[in-house]
Amino acid sequence: QLVLTQSPSASASLGASVKLTCTLSSGHSSYAIAWHQQQPEKGPRYLMKVNSDGSHSKGDGIPDRFSGSSSGAERYLTISSLQSEDEADYYCQTWGTGNVFGGGTKLTVL
Amino acid sequence: EVQLLESGGGLVQPGGSLRLSCAASGFTFSSYAMTWVRQGPGKGLEWVSAISTSGGSTFYADSVKGRFTISRDNSENTLYLQMNSLRAEDTAVYYCAKVAVSEIDSWGQGTLVTVSS
Repeated sequence: QLVLTQSPSASASLGASVKLTCTLSSGHSSYAIAWHQQQPEKGPRYLMKVNSDGSHSKGDGIPDRFSGSSSGAERYLTISSLQSEDEADYYCQTWGTGNVFGGGTKLTVL
Repeated sequence: EVQLLESGGGLVQPGGSLRLSCAASGFTFSSYAMTWVRQGPGKGLEWVSAISTSGGSTFYADSVKGRFTISRDNSENTLYLQMNSLRAEDTAVYYCAKVAVSEIDSWGQGTLVTVSS
Protein backbone atom coordinates (compact mmCIF):
# COMPACT_ATOMS: atom_id res chain seq x y z
CA GLN A 1 0.00 0.00 0.00
CA LEU A 2 1.27 3.43 -0.99
CA VAL A 3 1.72 5.65 2.06
CA LEU A 4 3.46 9.01 2.44
CA THR A 5 4.94 9.75 5.86
CA GLN A 6 5.76 13.24 7.17
CA SER A 7 6.87 14.50 10.55
CA PRO A 8 3.98 16.38 12.18
CA SER A 9 6.01 19.47 13.02
CA ALA A 10 9.22 21.35 12.32
CA SER A 11 10.65 24.68 13.36
CA ALA A 12 13.46 26.97 12.33
CA SER A 13 14.52 30.54 12.89
CA LEU A 14 13.78 33.51 10.69
CA GLY A 15 16.42 33.71 7.97
CA ALA A 16 17.60 30.13 8.48
CA SER A 17 17.00 27.07 6.31
CA VAL A 18 14.80 24.04 6.93
CA LYS A 19 14.50 20.68 5.16
CA LEU A 20 11.18 18.86 5.28
CA THR A 21 10.96 15.15 4.52
CA CYS A 22 8.34 12.98 2.87
CA THR A 23 8.99 9.22 2.93
CA LEU A 24 7.45 6.84 0.43
CA SER A 25 6.38 3.42 1.66
CA SER A 26 8.34 0.29 0.77
CA GLY A 27 8.26 -0.64 -2.89
CA HIS A 28 7.40 2.87 -4.06
CA SER A 29 10.79 4.57 -4.02
CA SER A 30 10.60 5.44 -7.74
CA TYR A 31 7.52 7.62 -7.35
CA ALA A 32 7.56 11.35 -7.91
CA ILE A 33 5.76 13.49 -5.39
CA ALA A 34 4.42 17.03 -5.23
CA TRP A 35 4.79 19.52 -2.39
CA HIS A 36 1.94 21.82 -1.45
CA GLN A 37 1.88 24.72 1.00
CA GLN A 38 -1.15 25.77 3.03
CA GLN A 39 -0.83 29.03 4.92
CA PRO A 40 -3.19 29.64 7.85
CA GLU A 41 -6.81 30.11 6.80
CA LYS A 42 -5.95 29.69 3.11
CA GLY A 43 -6.33 26.99 0.50
CA PRO A 44 -3.40 24.84 -0.61
CA ARG A 45 -0.87 26.10 -3.14
CA TYR A 46 1.23 23.88 -5.42
CA LEU A 47 4.95 24.37 -4.85
CA MET A 48 6.78 21.78 -6.95
CA LYS A 49 7.12 18.26 -8.25
CA VAL A 50 10.13 16.24 -7.07
CA ASN A 51 11.26 13.23 -9.10
CA SER A 52 13.10 10.17 -7.85
CA ASP A 53 16.33 11.37 -9.47
CA GLY A 54 16.17 14.57 -7.43
CA SER A 55 15.14 16.83 -10.28
CA HIS A 56 12.29 19.15 -9.55
CA SER A 57 9.98 21.54 -11.36
CA LYS A 58 8.36 24.43 -9.55
CA GLY A 59 5.00 26.03 -9.97
CA ASP A 60 4.56 29.52 -11.34
CA GLY A 61 5.81 32.25 -9.06
CA ILE A 62 7.42 29.98 -6.49
CA PRO A 63 10.51 31.77 -5.11
CA ASP A 64 14.01 30.41 -5.62
CA ARG A 65 14.20 29.93 -1.84
CA PHE A 66 12.16 26.76 -2.33
CA SER A 67 13.92 23.70 -3.74
CA GLY A 68 13.42 19.96 -3.90
CA SER A 69 15.65 16.89 -3.80
CA SER A 70 15.51 13.11 -3.33
CA SER A 71 17.40 10.25 -1.73
CA GLY A 72 16.05 6.73 -2.06
CA ALA A 73 12.48 6.72 -0.81
CA GLU A 74 12.78 10.19 0.69
CA ARG A 75 11.67 13.39 -0.99
CA TYR A 76 12.75 16.70 0.44
CA LEU A 77 11.57 20.29 0.43
CA THR A 78 14.21 22.79 1.44
CA ILE A 79 13.26 26.36 2.26
CA SER A 80 16.14 28.79 2.67
CA SER A 81 16.18 32.33 4.06
CA LEU A 82 13.01 31.58 6.01
CA GLN A 83 10.42 34.33 6.13
CA SER A 84 7.45 34.73 8.42
CA GLU A 85 5.05 33.93 5.60
CA ASP A 86 6.65 30.49 5.23
CA GLU A 87 4.95 29.47 8.45
CA ALA A 88 2.41 27.02 7.08
CA ASP A 89 1.41 23.40 6.71
CA TYR A 90 3.29 21.50 4.04
CA TYR A 91 1.84 18.40 2.38
CA CYS A 92 3.38 15.90 0.02
CA GLN A 93 1.16 14.14 -2.53
CA THR A 94 1.39 11.49 -5.20
CA TRP A 95 -0.85 9.15 -7.19
CA GLY A 96 -1.49 5.48 -6.43
CA THR A 97 -4.95 4.14 -7.19
CA GLY A 98 -6.06 7.60 -6.17
CA ASN A 99 -4.35 10.68 -4.89
CA VAL A 100 -2.37 10.04 -1.73
CA PHE A 101 -1.42 12.72 0.78
CA GLY A 102 1.03 12.74 3.60
CA GLY A 103 -0.27 13.84 6.99
CA GLY A 104 1.37 17.24 6.65
CA THR A 105 4.17 19.04 8.48
CA LYS A 106 3.38 22.19 10.43
CA LEU A 107 6.32 24.55 10.03
CA THR A 108 6.86 27.18 12.70
CA VAL A 109 9.19 30.09 11.97
CA LEU A 110 10.76 31.24 15.24
CA GLU B 1 -3.70 31.88 -15.64
CA VAL B 2 -5.38 28.73 -14.34
CA GLN B 3 -8.55 29.45 -12.40
CA LEU B 4 -10.72 26.92 -10.60
CA LEU B 5 -13.88 28.25 -8.99
CA GLU B 6 -15.92 25.93 -6.79
CA SER B 7 -19.56 26.51 -5.88
CA GLY B 8 -22.50 24.65 -4.45
CA GLY B 9 -21.43 24.24 -0.85
CA GLY B 10 -23.72 24.92 2.06
CA LEU B 11 -25.56 23.48 5.03
CA VAL B 12 -27.34 20.18 4.51
CA GLN B 13 -28.99 17.73 6.88
CA PRO B 14 -27.60 14.23 7.43
CA GLY B 15 -28.83 11.95 4.67
CA GLY B 16 -29.23 14.86 2.28
CA SER B 17 -27.62 15.61 -1.05
CA LEU B 18 -25.54 18.38 -2.53
CA ARG B 19 -23.92 18.98 -5.91
CA LEU B 20 -20.62 20.82 -6.12
CA SER B 21 -19.41 22.48 -9.29
CA CYS B 22 -15.96 23.66 -10.32
CA ALA B 23 -15.69 26.10 -13.22
CA ALA B 24 -12.29 25.90 -14.91
CA SER B 25 -10.54 28.47 -17.09
CA GLY B 26 -7.08 29.39 -18.28
CA PHE B 27 -6.16 25.93 -19.60
CA THR B 28 -7.46 23.24 -21.96
CA PHE B 29 -9.84 21.58 -19.53
CA SER B 30 -10.42 18.47 -21.63
CA SER B 31 -6.70 17.64 -21.60
CA TYR B 32 -6.35 17.20 -17.85
CA ALA B 33 -7.57 14.78 -15.23
CA MET B 34 -9.30 16.49 -12.35
CA THR B 35 -9.76 15.66 -8.72
CA TRP B 36 -11.68 16.62 -5.56
CA VAL B 37 -9.88 16.92 -2.22
CA ARG B 38 -11.45 17.81 1.12
CA GLN B 39 -10.26 19.10 4.45
CA GLY B 40 -12.27 18.57 7.60
CA PRO B 41 -12.08 21.08 10.46
CA GLY B 42 -8.56 21.07 11.89
CA LYS B 43 -7.56 18.11 9.73
CA GLY B 44 -5.21 17.40 6.85
CA LEU B 45 -5.97 17.04 3.18
CA GLU B 46 -8.03 13.98 2.19
CA TRP B 47 -8.44 12.84 -1.39
CA VAL B 48 -12.07 12.26 -2.38
CA SER B 49 -12.37 11.43 -6.07
CA ALA B 50 -10.69 11.79 -9.45
CA ILE B 51 -11.75 11.62 -13.09
CA SER B 52 -9.88 11.06 -16.35
CA THR B 53 -9.76 13.54 -19.20
CA SER B 54 -12.73 12.02 -21.03
CA GLY B 55 -14.66 11.10 -17.91
CA GLY B 56 -14.43 7.44 -18.85
CA SER B 57 -12.47 6.52 -15.74
CA THR B 58 -13.43 7.55 -12.23
CA PHE B 59 -11.83 6.85 -8.88
CA TYR B 60 -13.13 7.19 -5.33
CA ALA B 61 -11.83 7.05 -1.79
CA ASP B 62 -13.36 4.19 0.18
CA SER B 63 -14.98 6.71 2.51
CA VAL B 64 -17.23 8.07 -0.26
CA LYS B 65 -17.56 5.14 -2.66
CA GLY B 66 -21.20 4.44 -3.49
CA ARG B 67 -22.35 7.83 -2.15
CA PHE B 68 -20.45 10.38 -4.28
CA THR B 69 -20.28 10.64 -8.06
CA ILE B 70 -17.70 12.66 -9.96
CA SER B 71 -18.40 13.85 -13.49
CA ARG B 72 -17.28 16.48 -15.95
CA ASP B 73 -18.63 18.46 -18.88
CA ASN B 74 -15.74 19.24 -21.20
CA SER B 75 -17.96 21.44 -23.38
CA GLU B 76 -18.69 23.64 -20.36
CA ASN B 77 -15.24 23.33 -18.72
CA THR B 78 -16.90 22.23 -15.52
CA LEU B 79 -16.22 19.51 -12.96
CA TYR B 80 -18.94 18.18 -10.67
CA LEU B 81 -19.27 16.21 -7.47
CA GLN B 82 -22.69 14.79 -6.65
CA MET B 83 -22.82 13.96 -2.94
CA ASN B 84 -25.64 11.77 -1.63
CA SER B 85 -26.37 10.22 1.77
CA LEU B 86 -24.26 12.87 3.44
CA ARG B 87 -22.90 12.26 6.91
CA ALA B 88 -21.56 14.53 9.62
CA GLU B 89 -18.05 13.31 8.83
CA ASP B 90 -18.39 14.68 5.30
CA THR B 91 -18.27 18.19 6.75
CA ALA B 92 -15.25 19.84 5.15
CA VAL B 93 -13.96 22.40 2.73
CA TYR B 94 -14.00 20.79 -0.70
CA TYR B 95 -11.33 21.76 -3.21
CA CYS B 96 -11.23 20.98 -6.88
CA ALA B 97 -7.79 20.58 -8.37
CA LYS B 98 -6.11 20.06 -11.73
CA VAL B 99 -3.89 17.03 -12.19
CA ALA B 100 -0.73 17.08 -14.30
CA VAL B 101 0.55 13.52 -14.85
CA SER B 102 0.60 12.35 -11.22
CA GLU B 103 0.70 15.58 -9.30
CA ILE B 104 -1.88 18.20 -8.49
CA ASP B 105 -0.58 21.46 -9.93
CA SER B 106 -3.45 23.88 -9.37
CA TRP B 107 -6.08 24.31 -6.66
CA GLY B 108 -9.39 26.09 -6.34
CA GLN B 109 -10.22 28.25 -3.36
CA GLY B 110 -12.62 25.71 -1.87
CA THR B 111 -16.28 25.53 -0.91
CA LEU B 112 -17.55 24.65 2.56
CA VAL B 113 -19.97 21.78 3.07
CA THR B 114 -21.55 21.46 6.49
CA VAL B 115 -23.62 18.39 7.32
CA SER B 116 -25.67 19.02 10.42
CA SER B 117 -29.23 18.85 11.69
